[in-house]
Amino acid sequence: NAGVTQTPKFRILKIGQSMTLQCTQDMNHNYMYWYRQDPGMGLKLIYYSVGAGITDKGEVPNGYNVSRSTTEDFPLRLELAAPSQTSVYFCASSKRRGAGELFFGEGSRLTVL
Amino acid sequence: TQLLEQSPQFLSIQEGENLTVYCNSSSVFSSLQWYRQEPGEGPVLLVTVVTGGEVKKLKRLTFQFGDARKDSSLHITAAQPGDTGLYLCRGGGADGLTFGKGTHLIIQP
Repeated sequence: NAGVTQTPKFRILKIGQSMTLQCTQDMNHNYMYWYRQDPGMGLKLIYYSVGAGITDKGEVPNGYNVSRSTTEDFPLRLELAAPSQTSVYFCASSKRRGAGELFFGEGSRLTVL
Repeated sequence: TQLLEQSPQFLSIQEGENLTVYCNSSSVFSSLQWYRQEPGEGPVLLVTVVTGGEVKKLKRLTFQFGDARKDSSLHITAAQPGDTGLYLCRGGGADGLTFGKGTHLIIQP
């Protein structure tokens, strides 16, 4: 059972480049999330989705975009990468909102130089 | 957005010792979760508590939700090296749930 799969696991970008982090889940969960994790800062919510075609901003959405064309996929787009976007990114899904259990991918480590 | 304070930020102890870590807020939680994250992996849910005063046990781990639902603790008995990791609490209310900054726990053999 794959659960939540993220690609790539590692990526180095130059300032101003763009890229997409891919996330797919095979649990038929309606809710999907993107978090970033910086040292000593916990997990900050970037964007979330409550179902196909519906997305909304989290705490730190600036510099990112998302789309949700299918239940399974929730890609995160970085436009014009900046050093401040150097972080570890986690995709998660849940069956329900609120206190529903979050299932996380293994993370994507992004460095912007 | 509800702020969650976790303490201590770092804790390093010897195998076999007991320890307690805390998660506090100035606001009432409607629910609270504890996750453990190992290096290079995503967090994994340990427990969810929703009732004030609730106590849940998971082998050597005991989770307590405060009576006023503003705080929670995680107690580990006879810590083992396999308990090493980042312990995160996640809680909140109707406007969403947020993560604390975590407690980095190292259990030395």
